[in-house]
Amino acid sequence: DAKTTQPNSMESNEEEPVHLPCNHSTISGTDYIHWYRQLPSQGPEYVIHGLTSNVNNRMASLAIAEDRKSSTLILHRATLRDAAVYYCILRDVSSGNTPLVFGKGTRLSVIA
Amino acid sequence: GAVVSQHPSWVICKSGTSVKIECRSLDFQATTMFWYRQFPKQSLMLMATSNEGSKATYEQGVEKDKFLINHASLTLSTLTVTSAHPEDSSFYICSAREGVHGYTFGSGTRLTVV
Repeated sequence: DAKTTQPNSMESNEEEPVHLPCNHSTISGTDYIHWYRQLPSQGPEYVIHGLTSNVNNRMASLAIAEDRKSSTLILHRATLRDAAVYYCILRDVSSGNTPLVFGKGTRLSVIA
Repeated sequence: GAVVSQHPSWVICKSGTSVKIECRSLDFQATTMFWYRQFPKQSLMLMATSNEGSKATYEQGVEKDKFLINHASLTLSTLTVTSAHPEDSSFYICSAREGVHGYTFGSGTRLTVV
């Protein structure tokens, strides 16, 4: 799976929107963009995923650049419970039953 | 949604003893499960892929005789850390895929070897 690049850390004020960037310049046409987050001392949890179009769900929005070489996870109103490490992961949909490969992610701190 | 239950959530064991960690898919069948290890302030590192009814596939550098994986049913995979040493202390996490895009993770097991 292609590699992603994320900032090591970001900080946000509570109740403010947060934009978490991810670069994936070597993305292929069959790579889906997945976002997971890991709260302290817990396993990762699914946030959102997409292929080409922007996606919205109750947790977040995913904005995908037109050339697909970057994407942004948007948390519309950060809460203290959103403090976590956010992982942007590319996965080739044709790769079968293979595991997710995690990079270093972005550690998001939320300030009250 | 799909749920993966991991047990125990934490365990402390003496050096030289063995510890078993269980991972269950509660509402779906998982022919394949994945085991990760995570050291403090680091990302998840894939250890092995567990296949129901066949041998596990280990990542390079992971000792298969030390980390025994058994996947005897479609809903249960176990990881046994044999002859544990302090350097095996870590956060162990299992995962299974449900559907084309859905990966579900257990809540993790924090192992401390004293």
